[in-house]
Amino acid sequence: DTEVTQTPKHLVMGMTNKKSLKCEQHMGHRAMYWYKQKAKKPPELMFVYSYEKLSINESVPSRFSPECPNSSLLNLHLHALQPEDSALYLCASRRGTGDGYTFGSGTRLTVV
Amino acid sequence: GESVGLHLPTLSVQEGDNSIINCAYSNSASDYFIWYKQESGKGPQFIIDIRSNMDKRQGQRVTVLLNKTVKHLSLQIAATQPGDSAVYFCAEKEYGGATNKLIFGTGTLLAVQP
Repeated sequence: DTEVTQTPKHLVMGMTNKKSLKCEQHMGHRAMYWYKQKAKKPPELMFVYSYEKLSINESVPSRFSPECPNSSLLNLHLHALQPEDSALYLCASRRGTGDGYTFGSGTRLTVV
Repeated sequence: GESVGLHLPTLSVQEGDNSIINCAYSNSASDYFIWYKQESGKGPQFIIDIRSNMDKRQGQRVTVLLNKTVKHLSLQIAATQPGDSAVYFCAEKEYGGATNKLIFGTGTLLAVQP
């Protein structure tokens, strides 16, 4: 298995909803990432997990809450989002010591 | 020709021509670089990478050149095909530390004309 799998592919949520994005990889990668990408813009780093511990939070608002339950799974919990949070949310993983970042196909989030 | 749009530079080429996409990176401490291809509605797809101790690396129909003196990276695509039409991003990783940050450049839209 050489893929990063993200679910759901599309999500529409209201500003008062709570939802979660899921990311899974079975490549034994020990670093996992969340990126946010707006249309016609590059992906922007949000969070980095290294060996299941949060190592970087790029000043992301608290309405985004990451979680890494185990080495294969990464979640992003969403609560009280704003319409401007609508974007493509990408998950990536990387081997602990080597290089090679693998990205998932993303979750297209729309906040209404 | 090449033009700079409001958000995304665009490179328009004829099918069969060679394409050159350029990228200026910002951090002289970056030690690893990747080119990604992103098609509409999909995640970034790895094309080729290069470490800072190299200045050239070749793959299938693609070549990456690295000039550390001027912090410049380029991607050359030989015999460009319609399927190459996509947005191309360069990305850099800073050397050392526990951060393992991968930071993306602005991106270039490659439009291949049949």
